[in-house]
Amino acid sequence: DSGVTQTPKHLITATGQRVTLRCSPRSGDLSVYWYQQSLDQGLQFLIQYYNGEERAKGNILERFSAQQFPDLHSELNLSSLELGDSALYFCASSVTGTGVSEQYFGPGTRLTVT
Amino acid sequence: GQSLEQPSEVTAVEGAIVQINCTYQTSGFYGLSWYQQHDGGAPTFLSYNALDGLEETGRFSSFLSRSDSYGYLLLQELQMKDSASYFCAVIGDSGYALNFGKGTSLLVTP
Repeated sequence: DSGVTQTPKHLITATGQRVTLRCSPRSGDLSVYWYQQSLDQGLQFLIQYYNGEERAKGNILERFSAQQFPDLHSELNLSSLELGDSALYFCASSVTGTGVSEQYFGPGTRLTVT
Repeated sequence: GQSLEQPSEVTAVEGAIVQINCTYQTSGFYGLSWYQQHDGGAPTFLSYNALDGLEETGRFSSFLSRSDSYGYLLLQELQMKDSASYFCAVIGDSGYALNFGKGTSLLVTP
């Protein structure tokens, strides 16, 4: 158990809908990262927050957005969902936010878009 | 941009030694990390090399050659539970998040 929690574990929704994925980092970690894992694309970095501020953006679609709240939990919002958005979404955390090689991953949220 | 190359699949026998290679191209380099992921599970951190040479952690060792942009993960005394995907990763150009290779699926057979 990494100490990172994610809810929900599974999510099934229809195309065009909007969902919110939630992540709580390990106690003391200030940085939260979101990754998407699909069969054909592997683990892709989406976005990072550090102590409430957006720090870095990766291959995140405009339909997706995220935020980190004062209590450091983070939410990833996915809207206008498409079939191709079906994937495992992981949240990871680390104490600091720069050059961090060791990140702690949550159990993931499996999103299925039908 | 960045790219990481690693074999897609490797098969080895229980008790044997296996090496998973990773070559990378990146403009800025902090070091090379390795993660393990069992089917449907979360990636877990295995090792990190910032400098050239071999780092050993129990049955697992990781090697880095910065001049060759190359590293490998060495797994010794393979056990069935080592069957998993192994990812090499570098810190991205932003200096913040990890950029992962596509992963190597290791199958350990009896």
